Amino acid sequence: DAGITQSPRHKVTETGTPVTLRCHQTENHRYMYWYRQDPGHGLRLIHYSYGVKDTDKGEVSDGYSVSRSKTEDFLLTLESATSSQTSVYFCAISEIGQSYEQYFGPGTRLTVT
Amino acid sequence: ELKVEQNPLFLSMQEGKNYTIYCNYSTTSDRLYWYRQDPGKSLESLFVLLSNGAVKQEGRLMASLDTKARLSTLHITAAVHDLSATYFCAVVRIQGAQKLVFGQGTRLTINP
Repeated sequence: DAGITQSPRHKVTETGTPVTLRCHQTENHRYMYWYRQDPGHGLRLIHYSYGVKDTDKGEVSDGYSVSRSKTEDFLLTLESATSSQTSVYFCAISEIGQSYEQYFGPGTRLTVT
Repeated sequence: ELKVEQNPLFLSMQEGKNYTIYCNYSTTSDRLYWYRQDPGKSLESLFVLLSNGAVKQEGRLMASLDTKARLSTLHITAAVHDLSATYFCAVVRIQGAQKLVFGQGTRLTINP
C-alpha cells in the first residue's frame, strides 16, 4: 500500500469554526490531491498540488484553501465550516510516469453540526 | 466540460452470473481508471487503461477501453460474493496535472 496517512480520521465540528485536515505521504510523489465524496456524486476534486507551494483549484474549491510547504504534507483548510461541507475527504498522490495512477489515503469523515 | 456517467448505478445479481458495468465519458481522453471501494473504506485501484483497445483482466474482472466510442466496460464473470463493492471509473481531464473526473459509482451487490 502507498504510504499515505490522513489526520484526523474523524472529526465533528460546529458551523463557523475553522478546520484543517492533513495528508502525509512517504512516497515522495510530486502530485497530491484533495477530494470529497458525497452520495450520488462520486469523488469530486477540491484542490491539487503539483509541487511544493504549487497548488490549483479543482471543481469544488469554494470554501476551501490548501497549502503545501513540504513535499510530504498537503493541508486542506475550511476557513469557516458549513453543514454543506459535511463529507468524507480523501487525499490522493501520484507521480510522473506512464500511468499517473492515483493512490488514495484512508479518508477523513467530517461532520459539521 | 468533461462528464463521466456510469450505469447502472445499482446492480444486484446472483452468484455465478455475468454482468457488465458501463462507463461513458463526454470528451476525448485516452486514460481511464477503475477503482473499487468497500463500505467505509478507501479506494483501491483495479485497472489503468492507457490506450484505445486496451484490455486488462484480473481474476473475474475484465476492463476494456474504446476511446473512439468514449466507453469503458467492466465485465464480471461468474460473480462471487466477495466482489460486492462500489466500483468507480475515472477519466483524466487534463494531462500533466492528472485531474481525474469520477463517475457516480456502481454499487454492486452479489447474492448467494
